[in-house]
Amino acid sequence: DVKVTQSSRYLVKRTGEKVFLECVQDMDHENMFWYRQDPGLGLRLIYFSYDVKMKEKGDIPEGYSVSREKKERFSLILESASTNQTSMYLCASSPTNTGELFFGEGSRLTVL
Amino acid sequence: RKEVEQDPGPFNVPEGATVAFNCTYSNSASQSFFWYRQDCRKEPKLLMSVYSSGNEDGRFTAQLNRASQYISLLIRDSKLSDSATYLCVVNTRHSNYQLIWGAGTKLIIKP
Repeated sequence: DVKVTQSSRYLVKRTGEKVFLECVQDMDHENMFWYRQDPGLGLRLIYFSYDVKMKEKGDIPEGYSVSREKKERFSLILESASTNQTSMYLCASSPTNTGELFFGEGSRLTVL
Repeated sequence: RKEVEQDPGPFNVPEGATVAFNCTYSNSASQSFFWYRQDCRKEPKLLMSVYSSGNEDGRFTAQLNRASQYISLLIRDSKLSDSATYLCVVNTRHSNYQLIWGAGTKLIIKP
């Protein structure tokens, strides 16, 4: 089975702190994604990557950056966390453009 | 207007009943469509793709109506384990980078 692992299930940070969210997939997928999910809204794409060291902005990249140094790992960075970044963050991977994404369990971030 | 709209529910349905819900999309150029399922406090998982001709997978049937720009999901003989939020996903291109997600319809199956 495909496994996507996110490093932290729950985090509490203070405003202005730097936050790292890590994601690892074990199925050699080319594509990796970071989404955030908020109540009443659909998943919103923050960044995606279709290859090592390649990254593209999604719909809401402001306040975030990403890193993909190895194929299996895709990190999301919040340089200076703010309260409006309190959310559920979901990492996903996919092998091709099939519409099937495999998600990690999510990281629920609270910024105080 | 949201690009992909779903009734948030919740739909409260007795076990064994049939339930259906729709999802409307605004971009007539949309090319591919999916239903995902998300259990409470869990990650989304692909339930089924939606083909132009409609498709069926056991108790689940998905249909596409391009003229009216909506897709539907029908669940027959509902089980308690069907309780979840169902997410509608639309793609305007053949690329996973362009997926547009609905906010989901919550379904509660009652014994």
